[in-house]
Amino acid sequence: NAGVTQTPKFRILKIGQSMTLQCAQDMNHNYMYWYRQDPGMGLKLIYYSVGAGITDKGEVPNGYNVSRSTTEDFPLRLELAAPSQTSVYFCASRALHGQGHTEAFFGQGTRLTVV
Amino acid sequence: AQSVTQPDIHITVSEGASLELRCNYSYGATPYLFWYVQSPGQGLQLLLKYFSGDTLVQGIKGFEAEFKRSQSSFNLRKPSVHWSDAAEYFCAVGAWGSSGTYKYIFGTGTRLKVLA
Repeated sequence: NAGVTQTPKFRILKIGQSMTLQCAQDMNHNYMYWYRQDPGMGLKLIYYSVGAGITDKGEVPNGYNVSRSTTEDFPLRLELAAPSQTSVYFCASRALHGQGHTEAFFGQGTRLTVV
Repeated sequence: AQSVTQPDIHITVSEGASLELRCNYSYGATPYLFWYVQSPGQGLQLLLKYFSGDTLVQGIKGFEAEFKRSQSSFNLRKPSVHWSDAAEYFCAVGAWGSSGTYKYIFGTGTRLKVLA
């Protein structure tokens, strides 16, 4: 059981480039989340999804886009990368309320540097 | 608004000493509370969680936490720290948003250093 898998683990982007951070979960979870982690700031929610075809903005969505075409996958798209997007990105998933686990399960993270 | 406060950014303890990491939350309803640990370069791993019932919850790696509603606190404790406990610890509250969706609000984390 792989849980939540993120790729790539590391990436360096040049300013203005774009990329997609991949996230996949094999637990059939409805909820999926994207967070960014900056030193001393904890985790900030970028986007989340409550199921295939349904996404919504979190606290810090500017500069990012998401899609959720399947239950398993929740890619995060960065368009026109900026130095302010240098961060560690975490994907997480959670079961629907009432289906057991209510904690979030996290991937290993993607460390992104924009230069 | 919901929020989580971890007042200690850094804590240093000696190996074998006891540990308490503080967490205070602000949430209007009965909270779902979590403690996660993050080792360097790793993702977040759940240590323990509280939903209801017994206010003292046991977790993995010998950790426990006590929910105190009157103090809006959910402090994490360990009676004897091991060098491998050096990591960053995050407290989180699970909250229902106005749109009926479920989100997690994290504190800013406490970085634990363990002295040999």
